[in-house]
Amino acid sequence: GAGVSQSPSNKVTEKGKDVELRCDPISGHTALYWYRQRLGQGLEFLIYFQGNSAPDKSGLPSDRFSAERTGESVSTLTIQRTQQEDSAVYLCASSPTVHTDTQYFGPGTRLTVL
Amino acid sequence: SQKIEQNSEALNIQEGKTATLTCNYTNYSPAYLQWYRQDPGRGPVFLLLIRENEKEKRKERLKVTFDTTLKQSLFHITASQPADSATYLCALESNFGNEKLTFGTGTRLTIIP
Repeated sequence: GAGVSQSPSNKVTEKGKDVELRCDPISGHTALYWYRQRLGQGLEFLIYFQGNSAPDKSGLPSDRFSAERTGESVSTLTIQRTQQEDSAVYLCASSPTVHTDTQYFGPGTRLTVL
Repeated sequence: SQKIEQNSEALNIQEGKTATLTCNYTNYSPAYLQWYRQDPGRGPVFLLLIRENEKEKRKERLKVTFDTTLKQSLFHITASQPADSATYLCALESNFGNEKLTFGTGTRLTIIP
């Protein structure tokens, strides 16, 4: 595709519900990243995938957060038992290789937990 | 602890003047530093990358400097225009082995017509 796409663009959920956020990276990009951005804050690294290597999950804030990636394509970020502090914009980015290239960001998913 | 600081939360500059944004870091030895632009409701967009062995890099009206002794990068926009109004983020990639890209909190720049 032309760029990184994310869905949904907005998600409102009730506290305690599970949510799934989707990211479609640029075709051919082997690296994929998830970030969280709270209102007025910088980007907080969550997780990255590089090809078939084990993902780096060191940024995930709790075991309620998990992510999967199918090969070098779609990734899904799952948040279980959502809390109000999970409200943020979740950004996905991809790059041709890990780290040494610029990152191409999607528009983000704005998650609101009521 | 590692820290990235960007000069101020908001910066207002008169149209036509040069806007200068700073990015200071501590306890990093970055292999490179990147600058991104973020508009409201959108993801960041890459602008420039400067490596540790480079002092300066330019792209059109943009100029980035990188001083590894001062542990600082400066980002300049010359002949600023209202369309340059956005939040600008710096990001570091460490060469300590923990090779994640870490972003600063950003500076919100407003160019006043």
